[in-house]
Amino acid sequence: IAGITQAPTSQILAAGRRMTLRCTQDMRHNAMYWYRQDLGLGLRLIHYSNTAGTTGKGEVPDGYSVSRANTDDFPLTLASAVPSQTSVYFCASSAQWGGGGYTFGSGTRLTVV
Amino acid sequence: GQQLNQSPQSMFIQEGEDVSMNCTSSSIFNTWLWYKQDPGEGPVLLIALYKAGELTSNGRLTAQFGITRKDSFLNISASIPSDVGIYFCAGLRRDDMRFGAGTRLTVKP
Repeated sequence: IAGITQAPTSQILAAGRRMTLRCTQDMRHNAMYWYRQDLGLGLRLIHYSNTAGTTGKGEVPDGYSVSRANTDDFPLTLASAVPSQTSVYFCASSAQWGGGGYTFGSGTRLTVV
Repeated sequence: GQQLNQSPQSMFIQEGEDVSMNCTSSSIFNTWLWYKQDPGEGPVLLIALYKAGELTSNGRLTAQFGITRKDSFLNISASIPSDVGIYFCAGLRRDDMRFGAGTRLTVKP
């Protein structure tokens, strides 16, 4: 079934540890995105990628990094996790940047303690 | 920061009732989208609107792109229990998409 796969589904992480959230899509979409979802704040863009090999900063990029080595994969890394990074993280993709109709993954629930 | 104001924050309605929610912004957007999120899942696109004044339906859902390009509304007619979830509006312009904080809908049988 075409779509986006995120892993892990959930994770409890000690503060200060490094963590990579994985995201893979099989739709050959050019654009990919990482959002965090917090109660009362909706979805906020962390980083995005217009196409393989390029990345850009979103609304809340601090403490996160991304890479886009190929079309399908867009991992999000927390270099040194802090409790304020406790959130639900969603990866999304769209055929083209600015195309609007995003496909979302099922999310990764991350708790930093 | 957040540029879309979505209301209401939550709604408790009886099965069969109609629902209306809206999204307003201080900025102009080129596209308005409405998503639904079920518990434990990512948002799923319901309706996309591309032109000011556009009115689009998807089954029992109807959404409109405001004429000023700064607002949009979503109506759900004859609600059913599976309409339960969080509904998000999103506004898209050339290089930026912003989401509302969501409307949590509860439908009582």
